[in-house]
Amino acid sequence: GAGVSQSPRYKVAKRGQDVALRCDPISGHVSLFWYQQALGQGPEFLTYFQNEAQLDKSGLPSDRFFAERPEGSVSTLKIQRTQQEDSAVYLCASSLVGATNEKLFFGSGTQLSVL
Amino acid sequence: RKEVEQDPGPFNVPEGATVAFNCTYSNSASQSFFWYRQDCRKEPKLLMSVYSSGNEDGRFTAQLNRASQYISLLIRDSKLSDSATYLCVASGGSYIPTFGRGTSLIVHP
Repeated sequence: GAGVSQSPRYKVAKRGQDVALRCDPISGHVSLFWYQQALGQGPEFLTYFQNEAQLDKSGLPSDRFFAERPEGSVSTLKIQRTQQEDSAVYLCASSLVGATNEKLFFGSGTQLSVL
Repeated sequence: RKEVEQDPGPFNVPEGATVAFNCTYSNSASQSFFWYRQDCRKEPKLLMSVYSSGNEDGRFTAQLNRASQYISLLIRDSKLSDSATYLCVASGGSYIPTFGRGTSLIVHP
């Protein structure tokens, strides 16, 4: 498709389970961002890739969160030993080159519920 | 203190009203500014960029005040379809777009 694709759309996990969230950015987009959005809040930055390089991971809340983009295209956000506070919508966004004046194109997000 | 602050609202206005939202940012290195619109349970989508001289797109006007570090969005002649959350975004030297928590707008008949 032409847009950013995320899967799964919904994920229910039991506390302590590991989850993997996938993002397929727009073809040719160099920059890829992951954001976490809690209910009633704005998107909070998690991590940023330029091609396969993870340039900033300062927003990852703990070492249970890990992201990769090995071939500079598809990215996976992995959360180990999920906790209830991890419940949120995880949004992926891409942009062409990552310039500050570029618009972000978002995927529909993955809604994670940890029980 | 959050880097980008917005009044969450909700702003509840009748159709046809004019409504204005403000947003403040704390990082003086921020260079680019945007308003995104987010419908319920949907992803954010760019509404408009904000330029130093101010800019208009139909019923929407955005202004930037660098001295006071705030951004505004004015919506004229509100439509029912304008009901959404409006997210203010600042992007600075780190190239990481930072979002406010959003302002909820409800336009009623």
